[in-house]
Amino acid sequence: AQKVTQAQTEISVVEKEDVTLDCVYETRDTTYYLFWYKQPPSGELVFLIRRNSFDEQNEISGRYSWNFQKSTSSFNFTITASQVVDSAVYFCALKTSYDKVIFGPGTSLSVIP
Amino acid sequence: EAGVAQSPRYKIIEKRQSVAFWCNPISGHATLYWYQQILGQGPKLLIQFQNNGVVDDSQLPKDRFSAERLKGVDSTLKIQPAKLEDSAVYLCASSPLGGLAGSTFGEQFFGPGTRLTVL
Repeated sequence: AQKVTQAQTEISVVEKEDVTLDCVYETRDTTYYLFWYKQPPSGELVFLIRRNSFDEQNEISGRYSWNFQKSTSSFNFTITASQVVDSAVYFCALKTSYDKVIFGPGTSLSVIP
Repeated sequence: EAGVAQSPRYKIIEKRQSVAFWCNPISGHATLYWYQQILGQGPKLLIQFQNNGVVDDSQLPKDRFSAERLKGVDSTLKIQPAKLEDSAVYLCASSPLGGLAGSTFGEQFFGPGTRLTVL
């Protein structure tokens, strides 16, 4: 069975600090996709990134970076120099070739000015 | 490009009443999803349509929930009768790709959701 764990329920940081959101997944499939979504207070989920299981290259997009490690089944998300606008709930999600998308429980990030 | 539209944004009903939600996906998107998001949890897929056919409804409580996607465009989700535990945000999403085995899975585009409160 597929599972996504986000152990951090809530995180608070002061603006300009770096913060890492953890995601650990479980699957027996060799082909799968991992996602991160942002859900701001407005409620609309916003797609941030998709990685497939064959591409372990880390990715950087502006202040965002992602570290994918198959050896530890982790797909962590780092925000550098956090800003108040980063305050949101962040979801990690997993999809295998033969199953639906499974979302983690989410991590609520509060960036304090 | 217009995003995924949902209505209503908020709905308050009493238990045992019926309610319906509407979703209009992004033009040209073949796949449409309905999710239930209970407060403090991640979204849970209720049903997935590919055009107007059902791909996955394994987590849809079929004794009270129903959904349709006529003509492969917009969709309605109905709850009849509602229970207290149905209080949640109902999210609609669409995707240009189906995510079937062997195909590239495209990201999903979400609507603003409908917040349902059952009293």
